Formats: sequence, C-alpha cells, structure tokens
Amino acid sequence: NAGVMQNPRHLVRRRGQEARLRCSPMKGHSHVYWYRQLPEEGLKFMVYLQKENIIDESGMPKERFSAEFPKEGPSILRIQQVVRGDSAAYFCASSLDLDGNTEAFFGQGTRLTVV
Amino acid sequence: SQQGEEDPQALSIQEGENATMNCSYKTSINNLQWYRQNSGRGLVHLILIRSNEREKHSGRLRVTLDTSKKSSSLLITASRAADTASYFCAFTGGGNKLTFGTGTQLKVEL
Repeated sequence: NAGVMQNPRHLVRRRGQEARLRCSPMKGHSHVYWYRQLPEEGLKFMVYLQKENIIDESGMPKERFSAEFPKEGPSILRIQQVVRGDSAAYFCASSLDLDGNTEAFFGQGTRLTVV
Repeated sequence: SQQGEEDPQALSIQEGENATMNCSYKTSINNLQWYRQNSGRGLVHLILIRSNEREKHSGRLRVTLDTSKKSSSLLITASRAADTASYFCAFTGGGNKLTFGTGTQLKVEL
C-alpha cells in the first residue's frame, strides 16, 4: 500500500502562471486535506475534501485557489495567476475518518517556487 | 485563532537526555496527535491520544493529555541525534479538520 503520493515534488512557476498540485490518497482513504507551510512555520489548514465534495474550505484564499477531489483520480489543488507570496510547501494528507480517531497520513509535499 | 500553541519554540539537548514539548489549544477536541517533520520532508505520525485518555506510550514516546487545562505534552526519553526534527501537535474537534500547533524545533547534540 503506497503512501500518500504528491507530485510534482518541486514546481517552479513564473508570476501569473497556473500551478496544479496533485495528491493521490492512500488506498481506501476518502478524506483528503491540503495544508500550506511557510519556512520555519507550522501547517496552515486550507481545505478538506471527500470524494466529489468540498467539506471545509475555510482556510482557502477566496480568490485564485481551488481544490477538487473527483470520483476518479487524484485530488488537485489549483492556484491561478500565482504570485511570489504563494511560494510555500503544500502538503496533502488523507485519512479514513479523523472523527473516528484515525490518523492522517501525509505526503512528502510539493514545494512551489514562484519567480 | 484556533491554532495550537507549542512551547518551547526551540529546544536543544544532549543525546541521552529527555525532551519535553507542550501543546495548548482552545477548543474542545476529539483527539490530539503528534507529528514529526524532518527538515524539508513530509510529516510522520507519531502517536494519537483520544480525548478520554490521559496518557499513552509508544516506545520512547510518552504523551499526556489534560482536557481540563486544554494541554498535552510529548516526552521523548533517552534522546538520540536522529530525533532532531520539528514536532507538531495537531487536534480534531468538530468537523474533521486537523488543526496544527506552531511546532517545536528539537535539536539533539552528540
């Protein structure tokens, strides 16, 4: 059972371009979470999705950011018209059900650099 | 902010000593978890403690939870250089959202 897979590991985009970050959860996991981490800081919650549904997007910026978790395929975090402030590490996690007291498993992250 | 607060922010100890990190939070929780992150890497789950539990052990790790004080502590006994990493607490309340603390940077020196 492969762990949570994120790709790409590193992504460089010029200002104004789009960034697409992919996350394949662990097999059997239907809950996906995206977090952003700036250097030397903790993880900031962005969005929580279940298959085909956004459950909690309270941490997502209102503009330029979107996330999806389709019935088939990975979860996608999409950042349009990137700016330098979007440079960060973006981590995805998956779980069976956190309220059922199961742990969340994290991917290795995608490091986005906006130049 | 609902984010957890961790104390200390940074901790430097000698190999063989014990390391204690504390986490405080503001909401009621379902469970609290501790994660480790090596520099530039993903997070590794260490231990989960439920809200009705007070203490839990896993190898050299000991976690306590005091829901009346809304705090938890992580103790690493007989530390090793390989324990050098950042340690984060994280908790779930209502809504399944996993909220992280600010982290403690642990350095274990030979």
